[in-house]
Amino acid sequence: QQPVQSPQAVILREGEDAVINCSSSKALYSVHWYRQKHGEAPVFLMILLKGGEQKGHDKISASFNEKKQQSSLYLTASQLSYSGTYFCGTELASGGYQKVTFGIGTKLQVIP
Amino acid sequence: NAGVMQNPRHLVRRRGQEARLRCSPMKGHSHVYWYRQLPEEGLKFMVYLQKENIIDESGMPKERFSAEFPKEGPSILRIQQVVRGDSAAYFCASSPNPANTEAFFGQGTRLTVV
Repeated sequence: QQPVQSPQAVILREGEDAVINCSSSKALYSVHWYRQKHGEAPVFLMILLKGGEQKGHDKISASFNEKKQQSSLYLTASQLSYSGTYFCGTELASGGYQKVTFGIGTKLQVIP
Repeated sequence: NAGVMQNPRHLVRRRGQEARLRCSPMKGHSHVYWYRQLPEEGLKFMVYLQKENIIDESGMPKERFSAEFPKEGPSILRIQQVVRGDSAAYFCASSPNPANTEAFFGQGTRLTVV
């Protein structure tokens, strides 16, 4: 089941904050976040596992609410380099290997 | 340590021809995943392979598509008798462990069927 991401697109000015949400209709085992710039490979941001954790590095962090079956990605004090499409991917169970279903993405554009 | 290498970056095929997409995983990675991405859509899982074994091909069309990851050499995604609907970006990813780990993506092969 494909996770639902919101918003579909967002435009920020440098320095502003953003939140991208990812929700599932089914219980989740893990949530994966990637960023992809146009014409490039998706780049890993972080994985959150069942248990309701929160992770972050630099000014990008994420939370995983197991009960609500959703995850949120927080971008603080956005930089021009944050522009791109953000994908969340979900796993419903640990099958011994990664089988991630990705959402359609959230396009983020940071302008000066 | 070079990243995941995919080639070609762009491939144009006429309807009915075969397309061969190659993926060399990062050194030391024995887990390879193939994804397909259509414009304005997310990445769709196709197949997961470990060295010489196909573990999960549930996302791959049953006909015309096949994948392999031989003991020596790159992983190959093969599409026979291509049709216009096969036009997409195909991404390969590799990881050092099978689960709960970062997957490193290649830059993709953009297949255009004319």
